[in-house]
Amino acid sequence: AQSVTQLDSHVSVSEGTPVLLRCNYSSSYSPSLFWYVQHPNKGLQLLLKYTSAATLVKGINGFEAEFKKSETSFHLTKPSAHMSDAAEYFCVVSGGTSYDKVIFGPGTSLSVIP
Amino acid sequence: DSGVTQTPKHLITATGQRVTLRCSPRSGDLSVYWYQQSLDQGLQFLIQYYNGEERAKGNILERFSAQQFPDLHSELNLSSLELGDSALYFCASSVVSQGILFGQGTRLTVV
Repeated sequence: AQSVTQLDSHVSVSEGTPVLLRCNYSSSYSPSLFWYVQHPNKGLQLLLKYTSAATLVKGINGFEAEFKKSETSFHLTKPSAHMSDAAEYFCVVSGGTSYDKVIFGPGTSLSVIP
Repeated sequence: DSGVTQTPKHLITATGQRVTLRCSPRSGDLSVYWYQQSLDQGLQFLIQYYNGEERAKGNILERFSAQQFPDLHSELNLSSLELGDSALYFCASSVVSQGILFGQGTRLTVV
């Protein structure tokens, strides 16, 4: 069975400081892992994906995530937060090469304080 | 343009009515997914179609149904609408290892 846990429902950071959004997963398969971002009243946008290649994945807007199999984690980071990063972030796991099982985490709301 | 097109963008209807939401997947994608996002339930997977056939079913109510046509576009039918059905409905399509690409959503308001 697959599951995704986002450890923080809300994260607040000051502009210019690092961002860390935590995600842990469980999967019976070799998972594919994704981070999506949703800005207020907007659709979901793919930030980055891990699909069994390099464990450090770089995405758009300066975000990156590291796949750590031993810790079953896929935390999202950014060195310096911008006001425009304020949004909802979803960690997603899917099973191997099939998208039969696509599980969304509950989301983490990121606030950026000026 | 995200590649996944959903229509309409906004829909306001009365309780008890029926509506149809339409989705055109990214060119070449065979899988289509429907999600519901509401304030109290978060993002919920409803149903997945692959090349015209139902592949997986999530928390989809019996009042809701979907289908995928030979040209791969999909429709989500919502009937006997209730106030609690007010939500954002997302369609997504996928190709293996590329992730799921979402449309911009249809905002349904039931009054």
